[in-house]
Amino acid sequence: GQQVMQIPQYQHVQEGEDFTTYCNSSTTLSNIQWYKQRPGGHPVFLIQLVKSGEVKKQKRLTFQFGEAKKNSSLHITATQTTDVGTYFCAETSYDKVIFGPGTSLSVIP
Amino acid sequence: DTEVTQTPKHLVMGMTNKKSLKCEQHMGHRAMYWYKQKAKKPPELMFVYSYEKLSINESVPSRFSPECPNSSLLNLHLHALQPEDSALYLCASSQPTGGIIDSPLHFGNGTRLTVT
Repeated sequence: GQQVMQIPQYQHVQEGEDFTTYCNSSTTLSNIQWYKQRPGGHPVFLIQLVKSGEVKKQKRLTFQFGEAKKNSSLHITATQTTDVGTYFCAETSYDKVIFGPGTSLSVIP
Repeated sequence: DTEVTQTPKHLVMGMTNKKSLKCEQHMGHRAMYWYKQKAKKPPELMFVYSYEKLSINESVPSRFSPECPNSSLLNLHLHALQPEDSALYLCASSQPTGGIIDSPLHFGNGTRLTVT
Protein backbone atom coordinates (compact mmCIF):
# COMPACT_ATOMS: atom_id res chain seq x y z
CA GLY A 1 0.00 0.00 0.00
CA GLN A 2 0.91 3.63 0.15
CA GLN A 3 3.83 4.41 2.38
CA VAL A 4 6.29 7.23 2.68
CA MET A 5 9.38 7.03 4.85
CA GLN A 6 11.11 9.94 6.56
CA ILE A 7 14.63 10.37 7.82
CA PRO A 8 15.93 11.16 10.29
CA GLN A 9 13.45 10.18 12.99
CA TYR A 10 14.94 12.69 15.41
CA GLN A 11 17.28 15.65 14.97
CA HIS A 12 18.84 17.81 17.65
CA VAL A 13 20.49 21.01 16.42
CA GLN A 14 22.09 24.04 17.98
CA GLU A 15 20.12 27.21 17.37
CA GLY A 16 21.39 28.79 14.17
CA GLU A 17 22.32 25.49 12.52
CA ASP A 18 20.53 24.22 9.45
CA PHE A 19 18.13 21.26 9.41
CA THR A 20 16.91 18.95 6.67
CA THR A 21 14.34 16.17 6.68
CA TYR A 22 13.84 13.77 3.79
CA CYS A 23 10.73 12.00 2.63
CA ASN A 24 11.00 8.97 0.34
CA SER A 25 8.48 6.80 -1.45
CA SER A 26 8.87 3.59 -3.42
CA THR A 27 6.11 4.72 -5.78
CA THR A 28 5.54 7.90 -7.76
CA LEU A 29 3.59 10.45 -5.77
CA SER A 30 0.76 12.53 -7.20
CA ASN A 31 1.66 15.35 -4.89
CA ILE A 32 3.03 15.77 -1.41
CA GLN A 33 2.08 17.96 1.51
CA TRP A 34 4.16 19.03 4.50
CA TYR A 35 2.81 19.67 7.99
CA LYS A 36 4.30 20.85 11.26
CA GLN A 37 3.04 19.77 14.67
CA ARG A 38 4.25 21.63 17.72
CA PRO A 39 4.44 19.70 21.00
CA GLY A 40 0.92 19.46 22.41
CA GLY A 41 -0.56 20.90 19.23
CA HIS A 42 -2.21 19.73 16.05
CA PRO A 43 -0.71 19.37 12.57
CA VAL A 44 -0.59 22.61 10.62
CA PHE A 45 -0.30 22.67 6.86
CA LEU A 46 2.91 24.20 5.51
CA ILE A 47 3.03 23.58 1.75
CA GLN A 48 1.96 21.38 -1.12
CA LEU A 49 4.25 20.29 -3.95
CA VAL A 50 2.76 19.07 -7.20
CA LYS A 51 5.24 19.40 -10.05
CA SER A 52 8.32 17.32 -10.72
CA GLY A 53 11.43 19.18 -9.53
CA GLU A 54 9.37 21.88 -7.84
CA VAL A 55 11.07 24.13 -5.29
CA LYS A 56 9.13 26.42 -2.97
CA LYS A 57 10.38 28.76 -0.28
CA GLN A 58 8.73 30.18 2.82
CA LYS A 59 11.14 32.53 4.57
CA ARG A 60 13.79 30.18 6.05
CA LEU A 61 12.04 27.00 4.83
CA THR A 62 12.81 25.46 1.43
CA PHE A 63 10.76 22.58 0.08
CA GLN A 64 11.76 20.40 -2.86
CA PHE A 65 10.00 17.72 -4.87
CA GLY A 66 12.23 15.24 -6.67
CA GLU A 67 12.40 14.97 -10.43
CA ALA A 68 10.91 11.48 -10.29
CA LYS A 69 8.29 12.59 -7.75
CA LYS A 70 9.43 9.86 -5.37
CA ASN A 71 11.13 12.02 -2.79
CA SER A 72 10.86 15.38 -1.14
CA SER A 73 12.82 17.42 1.34
CA LEU A 74 12.32 20.26 3.78
CA HIS A 75 15.33 22.41 4.64
CA ILE A 76 15.35 25.01 7.41
CA THR A 77 18.11 27.60 7.36
CA ALA A 78 19.42 28.98 10.66
CA THR A 79 17.01 27.21 12.97
CA GLN A 80 15.26 29.07 15.77
CA THR A 81 13.61 27.75 18.92
CA THR A 82 10.24 28.41 17.29
CA ASP A 83 11.07 25.69 14.73
CA VAL A 84 10.75 23.00 17.39
CA GLY A 85 8.19 20.33 16.52
CA THR A 86 7.56 17.32 14.34
CA TYR A 87 7.59 17.73 10.58
CA PHE A 88 5.44 15.32 8.59
CA CYS A 89 5.31 14.74 4.89
CA ALA A 90 2.00 13.37 3.68
CA GLU A 91 1.07 11.68 0.44
CA THR A 92 -2.32 12.40 -1.01
CA SER A 93 -4.43 10.16 -3.19
CA TYR A 94 -8.02 11.07 -3.94
CA ASP A 95 -9.75 11.21 -0.55
CA LYS A 96 -6.78 9.93 1.43
CA VAL A 97 -4.04 11.92 3.13
CA ILE A 98 -1.50 9.52 4.64
CA PHE A 99 1.19 10.86 6.93
CA GLY A 100 4.78 9.73 7.02
CA PRO A 101 6.34 8.87 10.38
CA GLY A 102 7.69 12.40 10.89
CA THR A 103 10.98 13.97 11.94
CA SER A 104 11.10 15.43 15.43
CA LEU A 105 13.26 18.56 15.62
CA SER A 106 14.77 19.84 18.86
CA VAL A 107 16.60 23.16 18.90
CA ILE A 108 19.12 23.83 21.64
CA PRO A 109 19.29 27.55 22.50
CA ASP B 1 -6.72 29.71 16.52
CA THR B 2 -8.30 26.88 14.60
CA GLU B 3 -11.36 27.06 12.38
CA VAL B 4 -12.18 23.43 13.14
CA THR B 5 -13.66 23.05 16.60
CA GLN B 6 -13.58 19.78 18.52
CA THR B 7 -15.35 18.94 21.75
CA PRO B 8 -14.64 17.85 24.35
CA LYS B 9 -10.95 18.67 24.74
CA HIS B 10 -10.46 15.83 27.18
CA LEU B 11 -12.53 12.72 27.80
CA VAL B 12 -12.09 9.90 30.28
CA MET B 13 -14.37 6.93 29.83
CA GLY B 14 -14.75 3.42 31.09
CA MET B 15 -14.80 0.41 28.83
CA THR B 16 -18.56 0.03 29.18
CA ASN B 17 -19.39 3.68 28.49
CA LYS B 18 -20.88 5.21 25.37
CA LYS B 19 -19.59 8.65 24.43
CA SER B 20 -19.35 10.86 21.36
CA LEU B 21 -16.70 13.17 19.99
CA LYS B 22 -17.87 16.19 18.03
CA CYS B 23 -16.29 18.26 15.30
CA GLU B 24 -17.58 21.39 13.56
CA GLN B 25 -16.22 23.51 10.73
CA HIS B 26 -17.63 26.57 9.00
CA MET B 27 -15.18 26.91 6.14
CA GLY B 28 -17.55 25.39 3.60
CA HIS B 29 -15.37 22.31 3.28
CA ARG B 30 -17.07 19.20 1.97
CA ALA B 31 -14.57 16.57 3.12
CA MET B 32 -14.11 15.71 6.77
CA TYR B 33 -11.73 13.28 8.42
CA TRP B 34 -11.10 11.44 11.65
CA TYR B 35 -7.52 10.64 12.59
CA LYS B 36 -6.15 8.84 15.63
CA GLN B 37 -2.73 9.82 16.97
CA LYS B 38 -0.74 7.96 19.59
CA ALA B 39 2.20 9.62 21.34
CA LYS B 40 5.26 10.14 19.11
CA LYS B 41 3.42 8.65 16.12
CA PRO B 42 1.91 10.24 13.01
CA PRO B 43 -1.83 10.80 12.66
CA GLU B 44 -3.44 7.58 11.47
CA LEU B 45 -6.39 7.91 9.11
CA MET B 46 -9.65 6.34 10.36
CA PHE B 47 -12.56 7.69 8.31
CA VAL B 48 -13.23 10.11 5.47
CA TYR B 49 -16.55 11.70 4.59
CA SER B 50 -16.89 13.38 1.23
CA TYR B 51 -20.07 15.34 0.54
CA GLU B 52 -21.60 13.85 3.70
CA LYS B 53 -21.06 10.30 2.50
CA LEU B 54 -18.59 7.88 4.06
CA SER B 55 -15.97 7.37 1.40
CA ILE B 56 -13.19 5.69 3.36
CA ASN B 57 -13.14 3.40 6.40
CA GLU B 58 -9.59 2.27 7.10
CA SER B 59 -10.69 -1.06 8.62
CA VAL B 60 -11.56 0.64 11.88
CA PRO B 61 -13.17 -1.60 14.57
CA SER B 62 -16.94 -1.26 14.85
CA ARG B 63 -16.66 0.13 18.38
CA PHE B 64 -15.90 3.41 16.53
CA SER B 65 -18.93 4.67 14.60
CA PRO B 66 -18.71 7.87 12.55
CA GLU B 67 -21.60 10.09 11.62
CA CYS B 68 -21.85 13.15 9.41
CA PRO B 69 -25.22 14.84 10.10
CA ASN B 70 -24.50 17.71 7.68
CA SER B 71 -21.65 19.34 5.82
CA SER B 72 -20.44 21.22 8.91
CA LEU B 73 -20.62 18.50 11.54
CA LEU B 74 -18.80 15.24 12.13
CA ASN B 75 -19.27 12.93 15.08
CA LEU B 76 -17.44 9.87 16.31
CA HIS B 77 -19.51 7.59 18.51
CA LEU B 78 -17.56 5.43 20.93
CA HIS B 79 -18.76 2.23 22.56
CA ALA B 80 -17.02 -0.55 24.46
CA LEU B 81 -13.56 0.88 23.89
CA GLN B 82 -10.34 -0.71 25.09
CA PRO B 83 -7.50 0.96 27.02
CA GLU B 84 -5.33 0.78 23.88
CA ASP B 85 -7.81 3.11 22.19
CA SER B 86 -6.53 5.92 24.39
CA ALA B 87 -5.10 8.54 22.06
CA LEU B 88 -5.54 12.01 20.61
CA TYR B 89 -8.44 12.01 18.14
CA LEU B 90 -8.10 14.66 15.47
CA CYS B 91 -10.77 15.95 13.15
CA ALA B 92 -9.82 17.66 9.90
CA SER B 93 -11.57 19.18 6.93
CA SER B 94 -10.63 20.05 3.37
CA GLN B 95 -12.16 20.97 0.07
CA PRO B 96 -12.43 17.92 -2.18
CA THR B 97 -11.75 18.55 -5.84
CA GLY B 98 -13.30 15.44 -7.32
CA GLY B 99 -9.98 13.75 -7.83
CA ILE B 100 -6.49 14.03 -6.44
CA ILE B 101 -6.58 16.06 -3.25
CA ASP B 102 -4.85 19.36 -3.73
CA SER B 103 -6.21 21.34 -0.84
CA PRO B 104 -4.72 21.25 2.64
CA LEU B 105 -6.19 19.62 5.71
CA HIS B 106 -7.32 21.96 8.46
CA PHE B 107 -7.13 20.23 11.83
CA GLY B 108 -8.96 20.85 15.06
CA ASN B 109 -7.14 20.84 18.38
CA GLY B 110 -8.19 17.26 19.02
CA THR B 111 -9.84 15.34 21.85
CA ARG B 112 -7.51 13.64 24.29
CA LEU B 113 -9.24 10.35 25.08
CA THR B 114 -8.35 8.11 28.01
CA VAL B 115 -10.05 4.73 28.35
CA THR B 116 -9.88 3.23 31.82
